[in-house]
Amino acid sequence: KAGVTQTPRYLIKTRGQQVTLSCSPISGHRSVSWYQQTPGQGLQFLFEYFSETQRNKGNFPGRFSGRQFSNSRSEMNVSTLELGDSALYLCASSLDGRETQYFGPGTRLLVL
Amino acid sequence: GESVGLHLPTLSVQEGDNSIINCAYSNSASDYFIWYKQESGKGPQFIIDIRSNMDKRQGQRVTVLLNKTVKHLSLQIAATQPGDSAVYFCAENISGGSYIPTFGRGTSLIVHP
Repeated sequence: KAGVTQTPRYLIKTRGQQVTLSCSPISGHRSVSWYQQTPGQGLQFLFEYFSETQRNKGNFPGRFSGRQFSNSRSEMNVSTLELGDSALYLCASSLDGRETQYFGPGTRLLVL
Repeated sequence: GESVGLHLPTLSVQEGDNSIINCAYSNSASDYFIWYKQESGKGPQFIIDIRSNMDKRQGQRVTVLLNKTVKHLSLQIAATQPGDSAVYFCAENISGGSYIPTFGRGTSLIVHP
């Protein structure tokens, strides 16, 4: 069974731009969660989607948003990028959100 | 243990030694715990989990110990190999609710051949 995939793997953007990241969960997994990982803050939860609905949300500003499609694929969007948004963005999937999560390789975003 | 600031705690061991990585969790209501391994340039990889009705669980070369009294979790790796070099995270969660795990900062394990 294929693992969680994320595209693109690397991105360079400038301040003020927006970015969309994509995640394809493991087949059959309906829950997709997004995390931001930085050296200073570690792994921080952004939001979780289940059956196309945002079920849980972390403590991030409204510039961070996401969605999930009927095939469980998910996208996250960051608008009006700031330098501090430079991070590794990880997506994780699980069967129903209450089981072990499996992570993708991440998208490394650099904001200049 | 947990880190402060930008620097992760680091554990350096020789190949073949046993490694013990510690984690203190914060929420006494947490009842599900997971260890992840993250190699450079990759996402975290599930290693082993344990529920609060157990105090020990063994996998292949790994053992997780849970001490609920002091809210402490440890990961023991037997016969550590260079391929075990990575950052190890513990995560805590409350089962029966929505899955929003809390991750520790991680410990960097360096295995010297």
